[in-house]
Amino acid sequence: DAGITQSPRHKVTETGTPVTLRCHQTENHRYMYWYRQDPGHGLRLIHYSYGVKDTDKGEVSDGYSVSRSKTEDFLLTLESATSSQTSVYFCAIRTGSSYNSPLHFGNGTRLTVT
Amino acid sequence: AQTVTQSQPEMSVQEAETVTLSCTYDTSESDYYLFWYKQPPSRQMILVIRQEAYKQQNATENRFSVNFQKAAKSFSLKISDSQLGDAAMYFCAYRSARLDNDMRFGAGTRLTVKP
Repeated sequence: DAGITQSPRHKVTETGTPVTLRCHQTENHRYMYWYRQDPGHGLRLIHYSYGVKDTDKGEVSDGYSVSRSKTEDFLLTLESATSSQTSVYFCAIRTGSSYNSPLHFGNGTRLTVT
Repeated sequence: AQTVTQSQPEMSVQEAETVTLSCTYDTSESDYYLFWYKQPPSRQMILVIRQEAYKQQNATENRFSVNFQKAAKSFSLKISDSQLGDAAMYFCAYRSARLDNDMRFGAGTRLTVKP
């Protein structure tokens, strides 16, 4: 258990509303990631962070922003939710400094945009 | 950009038998890492096995082993003595040895285990 907590676990929201998902880790790892999982696409990277206030875009970053003001928290914000953002969102951390270190994932947040 | 392809959306296996899940990838890099993750119905992503591209020896973890063919860019997962608890989605993933953000996942294979 890499000590990753995602909240909320489930959320239903309406189109056009802002939504923030939270990822919290207890072990002060440097690298944190946000992925979305959709059928037929596997997991796709939205944004990642390599330190406090250091973030960068991933493959599917449009419509999303992130913030990392503390090592332990990585927030994903949908400024104005759309139906295409209905998905399962996973936070992950890299527990080691080398590239062969695997990612450890949270339990995911199922977001439904109606 | 690197791509990962899992050509089998669904597979099934009889309990106690062996099954192989396929994965191919496209890259121009020579140094990279490959992973298999398991996602049971609980939705948790669980690391099954990993392989460094510079190692010729295939990785093994108990009943799970890989067949890594670097020239063919193939990375298949073999599950021996399949158990009911092996039923899950399996994702193949690629990571560059150069880039922090570059972990790419395949679309997944859903494995059913029949009693």
